[in-house]
Amino acid sequence: AQSVTQLDSHVSVSEGTPVLLRCNYSSSYSPSLFWYVQHPNKGLQLLLKYTSAATLVKGINGFEAEFKKSETSFHLTKPSAHMSDAAEYFCVVSDRYGGSQGNLIFGKGTKLSVKP
Amino acid sequence: DGGITQSPKYLFRKEGQNVTLSCEQNLNHDAMYWYRQDPGQGLRLIYYSQIVNDFQKGDIAEGYSVSREKKESFPLTVTSAQKNPTAFYLCASSMGRVNSPLHFGNGTRLTVT
Repeated sequence: AQSVTQLDSHVSVSEGTPVLLRCNYSSSYSPSLFWYVQHPNKGLQLLLKYTSAATLVKGINGFEAEFKKSETSFHLTKPSAHMSDAAEYFCVVSDRYGGSQGNLIFGKGTKLSVKP
Repeated sequence: DGGITQSPKYLFRKEGQNVTLSCEQNLNHDAMYWYRQDPGQGLRLIYYSQIVNDFQKGDIAEGYSVSREKKESFPLTVTSAQKNPTAFYLCASSMGRVNSPLHFGNGTRLTVT
């Protein structure tokens, strides 16, 4: 069975410092992994996705994530936070062979605050 | 511009009334989804549809109903049987393959008093 755990419900950083949002997953098969961002009262927007190509995935707005199979992790990073990065971030797992996309599992989200 | 439109953005209803949330997409996507979002709980799947005239229950389908008569449209009805309907509802669509990312609308915030 699939599951996804976002290890921090809230992360606070200062503008210009690095961002690390942690995600661990559990999957029976070879997973696809996604990170989405949600600004207040908006829908979710795809930041990046991993589908078994390169383990280091680059996304929009300077974010990237590294797939580490041995650690079952897919942490999201950014070298330098910007005020506009303040939002909620969701890690999502999908079994490659799970068939229906009804098998997408969302983490509970990490709220990122950025201090000036 | 292609995208997903949810309407209305805010909806207020009295307890005991059914209410229908609209979701329309012009992305030519086969699959559409409804999620419910509550603070601190992430997203939970209500219903999804992979083709016209077919849909499947998600994890929390009780008290909800859907239809998929057209590819572009996937309305969600919140019935009076839903015990705790106040929430933020998100509609999404995708090409329907396992690795296809979801495209989301901007949500409808439903308040039932």
